[in-house]
Amino acid sequence: EAQVTQNPRYLITVTGKKLTVTCSQNMNHEYMSWYRQDPGLGLRQIYYSMNVEVTDKGDVPEGYKVSRKEKRNFPLILESPSPNQTSLYFCASSYGLGSYEQYFGPGTRLTVT
Amino acid sequence: AQKITQTQPGMFVQEKEAVTLDCTYDTSDQSYGLFWYKQPSSGEMIFLIYQGSYDEQNATEGRYSLNFQKARKSANLVISASQLGDSAMYFCVGRDNNNDMRFGAGTRLTVKP
Repeated sequence: EAQVTQNPRYLITVTGKKLTVTCSQNMNHEYMSWYRQDPGLGLRQIYYSMNVEVTDKGDVPEGYKVSRKEKRNFPLILESPSPNQTSLYFCASSYGLGSYEQYFGPGTRLTVT
Repeated sequence: AQKITQTQPGMFVQEKEAVTLDCTYDTSDQSYGLFWYKQPSSGEMIFLIYQGSYDEQNATEGRYSLNFQKARKSANLVISASQLGDSAMYFCVGRDNNNDMRFGAGTRLTVKP
């Protein structure tokens, strides 16, 4: 089954404790991205990657890191999480740019206390 | 930078009637892409329809159609024959030449039986 998976789905952590949210797709997509969703703001793009070893900042990259060492994986790293990073996070992938729609993972709900 | 505006935080529609969800975009790019996604209460993001700025015909996908008016910079989603399962959050999304993906704040649609 073609899908984007994220782990964990739910995470409660404390300020400053490094964490990684994994994202993997099995569709051989070139383009992957991370978003955060906050009430009243829609989804905002954090980082995106157009191919292996190519990553770019989105709208709200501060406090986040990403890497794209393999085509299928695009982990999101929070080196020192803070309470304002409490949010719902989505990973997405697509064949490319232009008209290709993105396939979204199920979301990761992160709470930083 | 592009901007996507959805002015209707919430909408109600009677089952079997049509409903229009508004979206306006603001960009200086000549080539531009617009997507609509649906997010049910379960949280997943579901792609509905795409319209490219150079497409001459309005996009249609089953009960979904996109009323694209370039001069007004609007890309409204029309859902015909509403069903109870259409109750969800709907997001208008723009993609510009810099591959920036910008979501509107969303419209929550409630279909009444």
